[in-house]
Amino acid sequence: AQSVAQPEDQVNVAEGNPLTVKCTYSVSGNPYLFWYVQYPNRGLQFLLKYITGDNLVKGSYGFEAEFNKSQTSFHLKKPSALVSDSALYFCAVRDADTGFQKLVFGTGTRLLVSP
Amino acid sequence: ETGVTQTPRHLVMGMTNKKSLKCEQHLGHNAMYWYKQSAKKPLELMFVYSLEERVENNSVPSRFSPECPNSSHLFLHLHTLQPEDSALYLCASSLGRNTEAFFGQGTRLTVV
Repeated sequence: AQSVAQPEDQVNVAEGNPLTVKCTYSVSGNPYLFWYVQYPNRGLQFLLKYITGDNLVKGSYGFEAEFNKSQTSFHLKKPSALVSDSALYFCAVRDADTGFQKLVFGTGTRLLVSP
Repeated sequence: ETGVTQTPRHLVMGMTNKKSLKCEQHLGHNAMYWYKQSAKKPLELMFVYSLEERVENNSVPSRFSPECPNSSHLFLHLHTLQPEDSALYLCASSLGRNTEAFFGQGTRLTVV
């Protein structure tokens, strides 16, 4: 069964500084990996995904993520944080090799960007 | 607006009531999901329907009963719920394993 770990409940960063939100995963086959963001009282919004190819993927709002197969990680990054990036971030994984679309999420990391 | 619509947005129900949550998408997706979001378990997968198959989380109590009459509609039937079932229930849909899921705005359920 697939699983995702987000080891940090909260990440604090000052505006203008780079940010990293960590994610590690476990699947029996190859992974499809996703990042989502959630603002208060809203559903989840898709940010970016890794399916195949280049290990560095770029997404919405200047976010990017790096797939590292040997470390089974998919950390979310942004070179310069904005106060408006403050939100709840979820990493998710799907097993690419099974015949089903089960999508499993991590526990989420709250990002707080201070002015 | 993601193309996934959930109704109602808010629901308050007593423990003896029976109610249903509704989700619909007209994106041509072939999989639909129910997730429960609460403080204890931020995003718990409850059920997945894909190509008319169903996968369920074995820890979901039988007082939650999903129904997927077609690829565009998904229901979650609720009966004799407990206060700990109060949470945000999110519906999502997707097309294929290598595509992202689109989420609805959720139904905020309060059991009194």
